[in-house]
Amino acid sequence: EVQLVESGGGLVQPGGSLRISCAASGFTFTNYAMSWVRQAPGKGLQWVSGVSTSGGSGSFTKYEDSVRGRFTVTRDNSKNTLYMQMNSLRAEDTAVYYCAKGRDSDNYSFDFWGQGTLVTVSS
Amino acid sequence: DIQMTQSPSSLSASVGDRVTITCRASQGISNYLAWYQQEPGKVPKLLISTASVLRSGVPSRFSGSASGTEFTLTISSLQPEDVATYYCQEYNSVPFTFGPGTKVDIK
Repeated sequence: EVQLVESGGGLVQPGGSLRISCAASGFTFTNYAMSWVRQAPGKGLQWVSGVSTSGGSGSFTKYEDSVRGRFTVTRDNSKNTLYMQMNSLRAEDTAVYYCAKGRDSDNYSFDFWGQGTLVTVSS
Repeated sequence: DIQMTQSPSSLSASVGDRVTITCRASQGISNYLAWYQQEPGKVPKLLISTASVLRSGVPSRFSGSASGTEFTLTISSLQPEDVATYYCQEYNSVPFTFGPGTKVDIK
């Protein structure tokens, strides 16, 4: 059974930093692209960042414009874990952040989602 | 960036009705289009990928179609458990944009 379990969310002041994690199980983590998708309170879905996997060629990261340069997505294939380091946080980054599994190594449609972790940016 | 629009933004229909939701991309996306269902308070679920391929386990009353940059999600016979918000998403290019959603409820 595929499981994605996020952690690390919380309350942070504007300008602060936070690292969220996603522990994956039930599938061969190294074979699939992974992404973070967020949903602000009462709003729609927004893809934030993703990391593909190209086997021996390494992984490639992608970002939505508003987070590029502030957020960094990484994966540790030895721990089956996806991370996102979020710096220079803004009020508009407040959202539930979902970890989502791509349907193959470089596919950004999502067949499994975690339960989400809430990040609140407020003073 | 590719823009995704959905219509209508909400609809109310009776059990058994045929429901159609339309999604339009601002440019060609080569049928790299997915549909998701998000029930109230729950996590999104993939229904359809590549515009028309039904995910295993999804009821056959759901179907998808494409014509150029216009995509359609159809529920052939609306059921009470279909109350949800439905999102389309293009996965052709960054930033893999989601549509704004269509909220479906029962009349």
